Order: sequence, then C-alpha cells, then structure tokens
Amino acid sequence: NAGVTQTPKFRILKIGQSMTLQCTQDMNHNYMYWYRQDPGMGLKLIYYSVGAGITDKGEVPNGYNVSRSTTEDFPLRLELAAPSQTSVYFCASKPLLNYNEQFFGPGTRLTVL
Amino acid sequence: AQSVAQPEDQVNVAEGNPLTVKCTYSVSGNPYLFWYVQYPNRGLQFLLKYITGDNLVKGSYGFEAEFNKSQTSFHLKKPSALVSDSALYFCAVRDMRNTDKLIFGTGTRLQVFP
Repeated sequence: NAGVTQTPKFRILKIGQSMTLQCTQDMNHNYMYWYRQDPGMGLKLIYYSVGAGITDKGEVPNGYNVSRSTTEDFPLRLELAAPSQTSVYFCASKPLLNYNEQFFGPGTRLTVL
Repeated sequence: AQSVAQPEDQVNVAEGNPLTVKCTYSVSGNPYLFWYVQYPNRGLQFLLKYITGDNLVKGSYGFEAEFNKSQTSFHLKKPSALVSDSALYFCAVRDMRNTDKLIFGTGTRLQVFP
C-alpha cells in the first residue's frame, strides 16, 4: 500500500490564483482530514470527511473548499490565494473502527506571494 | 475548553541519556491520548496511544508514555536517546465533543546531541 499520497510536494502561487491540493489514500479508510501546519502553532483542522459525499468544517475552513466524491480522494481547493494561506498542508485518513489513529501524508508546502 | 499543552518548545538531551517530552491535557471524561513524531520534511507518524488499561504505554522506536490521571499528563519517555530521535513531537487528545477529531499540541522539538 502506498498509504496517503499528496501532490504536489511544493507550490508557489501568486495572490488571487487558485489551485487544488490532491490527496489519495489506498487503505479504504472512511475518514479523511485536511490540516495546515504553521510554525509554533501545531496542526489546525481545515475540513474533514466521514465518508464519500459527506464533508464538514474544521477550525479554519475560510478560504478553502473540499469535496469527497470517492472513498479514496479528498481534494482541497484554494480559491483566491492569500499570503495567510502560506503553510504546509497535510492530509490524513483513519479507518472507521480504529480509535482515532490517523495516518498522514507527506505534506504539500505552499507559498503565496 | 478542551486543550493539549506541550510546555517546552525544545528539549535538548545528550545521546545515551534518558529523555522526557511533556504533555498535559484538559478534557472532560476519560481521554484518548496520542503521540506523533515528525521528521524533517515528512508527515506525522504515529508513535503510541493510551485508550484504557495500563498507565504505561509502549510504542514504536523504544518510546513509552505514562498516563497520569491525577496530574492530567501523558509524558513521552525513552530510556536512552539516539541522535536519530531528533524530530518534532506532537501530543494529541481525542475531541470529546466530536470523537472523529483530534486536538493537537503545538509540538516540542527534540534535539539529541552526540
């Protein structure tokens, strides 16, 4: 199993541009999550999904959108990128019956200039 | 409010010495607690968890953690540190209001010197 994969690894955007961060998991996990990691701030939850067709907001959803059309994929969309969205983004997944042990992808480092 | 605190931004220890990375939590009820490690330019990797039972939990890479309910703590420990243990460590607790989510601490950077 490849686990949780994320693309791209790095990206530089200009203010106002948009992009989609891709996340795929091959473990048939029900739950998927998007976090952002800022220095000294830990991880903040952006959006999460408990299954295909179901998504919900986390702590910091403003400026982002998600969709979950399949079990495997959970893309994160940035519309009108802003410098405040400069961060490292992590996708994670979790099986249904596991006690909250999440499996993380390698991350996407995004810079908005 | 539910929270996790990691009071030290950085912990420095000499190779071969024991290490402790501190974590305290504030949630109602019985907590589910987790430790993750992040190596440079990598995602988080699960180390260990406490759900119930024995207060001393053993995990990956020789790490262990002790759950102390009276002190609301879940400190990460290792008897003999390795240079390769140098990384960023995160403590997390299950959100009791939405059990599908975790609440993460701000992380502690462990530096092990040769």
